[in-house]
Amino acid sequence: SQQGEEDPQALSIQEGENATMNCSYKTSINNLQWYRQNSGRGLVHLILIRSNEREKHSGRLRVTLDTSKKSSSLLITASRAADTASYFCATDDTGGFKTIFGAGTRLFVKA
Amino acid sequence: SAVISQKPSRDICQRGTSLTIQCQVDSQVTMMFWYRQQPGQSLTLIATANQGSEATYESGFVIDKFPISRPNLTFSTLTVSNMSPEDSSIYLCSVLLAGSSYNEQFFGPGTRLTVL
Repeated sequence: SQQGEEDPQALSIQEGENATMNCSYKTSINNLQWYRQNSGRGLVHLILIRSNEREKHSGRLRVTLDTSKKSSSLLITASRAADTASYFCATDDTGGFKTIFGAGTRLFVKA
Repeated sequence: SAVISQKPSRDICQRGTSLTIQCQVDSQVTMMFWYRQQPGQSLTLIATANQGSEATYESGFVIDKFPISRPNLTFSTLTVSNMSPEDSSIYLCSVLLAGSSYNEQFFGPGTRLTVL
């Protein structure tokens, strides 16, 4: 099965800086999603971008999708200490309802 | 969105015992899933919980080890049987809401299991 691969694995920045995380996947998708997970807790859905979309915004989040390169990026602007979490990209299993998660990026925002 | 609860939130169990985790949703859902997240790792799909029939398991997971029930649209249980320390993980249920965007899943808070 396909899986989103993310880089970097870990990212440490100062509060107020922007954080960019990247995700690559292997096969065609219908949509790609980003989730956040605070330490040891459930996942929170951040944003979904469809395969026919190139960019999407939600508050301080900006997601891009390049289907020709099979990659996506998540940008968090003006980061806050509360943004410290793990971020996962997830792709759908075309023809079904299964969601495949990437390895995740651990973001640390220092106050 | 939906409110998804899991019980227990955490447990410490002895090797060889079994633990049943419950997942309850306050909305109508189309599909329910169970995931495992081993320490420091990403999520791995265990199975899709089907209402009134046997769950659909992913490669590497079997019913004898992870029996699943889903007696109605909003409730499911996952049992981790004959546990070993390798089963120490966070177990999460997730749902697709009726009428929601395709594949936009909502997750429960997770059950943190430690097996001694």
